[in-house]
Amino acid sequence: AQTVTQSQPEMSVQEAETVTLSCTYDTSESDYYLFWYKQPPSRQMILVIRQEAYKQQNATENRFSVNFQKAAKSFSLKISDSQLGDAAMYFCAYVHAGGTSYGKLTFGQGTILTVHP
Amino acid sequence: DSGVTQTPKHLITATGQRVTLRCSPRSGDLSVYWYQQSLDQGLQFLIQYYNGEERAKGNILERFSAQQFPDLHSELNLSSLELGDSALYFCASSAPLGPDTQYFGPGTRLTVL
Repeated sequence: AQTVTQSQPEMSVQEAETVTLSCTYDTSESDYYLFWYKQPPSRQMILVIRQEAYKQQNATENRFSVNFQKAAKSFSLKISDSQLGDAAMYFCAYVHAGGTSYGKLTFGQGTILTVHP
Repeated sequence: DSGVTQTPKHLITATGQRVTLRCSPRSGDLSVYWYQQSLDQGLQFLIQYYNGEERAKGNILERFSAQQFPDLHSELNLSSLELGDSALYFCASSAPLGPDTQYFGPGTRLTVL
């Protein structure tokens, strides 16, 4: 079974600084997608960024970028120029692109990010 | 706004009761997924429907059932409710061509007293 691990229960960063959230996963599959979702106090799950496993290039979305290391099964999220609105719980998630678990998102435990002004 | 709608936003009920949670996917999406978020279990996949057919099942209790209707909206039925069923229930939808990206609704907060 696939597992996703976020080893940092909490992280903090100063406004305008950079922070990196860690995620590792375990799978025997070769075709999958990885995601970072943000859950602010409103509890809405908001997609931050997505990475296809077959792409070597790291995904980037404005101030958000990932460091995808397929061999190491590592998928970290870097937030640059942190803003107060970035404060939230961040979840790393995995989905296998095929098989009987097709479509099932497996989530990590989450990392609470605090942004200090 | 993800385009996925869920009703109701909040639900308070008693143990032993039955409730129905409703979800409308984004326009054009054929897949609907249900997830449960609780403090002790985290975010867990319950079930997936694709164009009216059950596609995948997670650790969904036998007391829980779901269906997807011809207009593609979905309902999650929870019966014989227990205190431990109190959680945030999310619905998500994705585009037709694969699991790809799932977009989440705002969730339904269920409290069982």
